[in-house]
Amino acid sequence: EDQVTQSPEALRLQEGESSSLNCSYTVSGLRGLFWYRQDPGKGPEFLFTLYSAGEEKEKERLKATLTKKESFLHITAPKPEDSATYLCAVESAGANNLFFGTGTRLTVIP
Amino acid sequence: DAGVTQSPTHLIKTRGQHVTLRCSPISGHKSVSWYQQVLGQGPQFIFQYYEKEERGRGNFPDRFSARQFPNYSSELNVNALLLGDSALYLCASSPRNTEAFFGQGTRLTVV
Repeated sequence: EDQVTQSPEALRLQEGESSSLNCSYTVSGLRGLFWYRQDPGKGPEFLFTLYSAGEEKEKERLKATLTKKESFLHITAPKPEDSATYLCAVESAGANNLFFGTGTRLTVIP
Repeated sequence: DAGVTQSPTHLIKTRGQHVTLRCSPISGHKSVSWYQQVLGQGPQFIFQYYEKEERGRGNFPDRFSARQFPNYSSELNVNALLLGDSALYLCASSPRNTEAFFGQGTRLTVV
């Protein structure tokens, strides 16, 4: 059975204080690992897809990396507008859906 | 380009009633999926449709049903509503089995 565990559940950072969010996964044949950002009451906003171990992708202050067991979302010099819940999801071979973790709620304090 | 649009944005229903939620995918996207998100949890998969055929179903009771129309829009129907059905219902579209792009969701409250 697919499992996705995100840590920490919540993270408070000072503006400019870099950190990383973790997504550990267990899946039978990874087709893709996805990162989304979700603001309160809104739908998830697509950030990245990673397909194989060693792959990295960047977008502004965010960088996602992937190993065979986990993915990290690195946030460099965050700003208050980066405050949101960050969701990790996996798609396994033979499945037609995303399996989500419970998310990390990030708060960036000015 | 318009993103995924869902209607209505908010809905209040009474226990035992039924509800229909609607979704229009991004133009050119033929796959639509439905997810339920309870407060504090990640989205949970309900259905996936591709080219009007059901391609996947999550662990939800038969009270939940869906369909996709020739224009690739979709409806999610829930019968005999329970208090526990209160959630944010999300629709996502994708060109095929690639990245899923979500709408803003329909907030359903069952009282």
